[in-house]
Amino acid sequence: GENVEQHPSTLSVQEGDSAVIKCTYSDSASNYFPWYKQELGKRPQLIIDIRSNVGEKKDQRIAVTLNKTAKHFSLHITETQPEDSAVYFCAASFTGGGNKLTFGTGTQLKVEL
Amino acid sequence: SQTIHQWPATLVQPVGSPLSLECTVEGTSNPNLYWYRQAAGRGLQLLFYSVGIGQISSEVPQNLSASRPQDRQFILSSKKLLLSDSGFYLCAWIIAGYSYNEQFFGPGTRLTVL
Repeated sequence: GENVEQHPSTLSVQEGDSAVIKCTYSDSASNYFPWYKQELGKRPQLIIDIRSNVGEKKDQRIAVTLNKTAKHFSLHITETQPEDSAVYFCAASFTGGGNKLTFGTGTQLKVEL
Repeated sequence: SQTIHQWPATLVQPVGSPLSLECTVEGTSNPNLYWYRQAAGRGLQLLFYSVGIGQISSEVPQNLSASRPQDRQFILSSKKLLLSDSGFYLCAWIIAGYSYNEQFFGPGTRLTVL
């Protein structure tokens, strides 16, 4: 089955700096890669996703890149703000087979003032 | 609009007691439905998923079971809870036929087994 590794497990940045979280996946059949943000005590919220036919996608301060050859994808947050502090999860899935998501282990991002 | 509900929001149960958590969705038909568990400070573990009424796939062998008695209802059950069953239980869904696999989570049930 699919295996997703995520690094780093914790990340501390100064407000206004950029943050990068990286994930690798094992199954070359995976074709959908979402990122979720989870604030303390809340449900995970989908913040951005990318499909295997695209190399990069941006949404305001958030961007995701995908390298299918190397089987890795990354989340980039620019101009970080205190409200970006949360746990971020990457995931991978492929169309079919129940469209199951395999999640990474999460990154605790802390944006310091 | 499409919404997902879970109840109860919080639950405290003694070891050995039964469990029933419910998830319902509105505004769509034939969604894929999923049950996840998140232990404190940990990641998301897929427990069960369903692509239709009566169709349940189990991902992790344990003392939990799931059922889908109606198109938009997904139930997680246990006959006897263990301490290790404590956690945050999340129901999620994908709109059927939607090619983008976007999975959205319900508000969750926080279960404490004492």
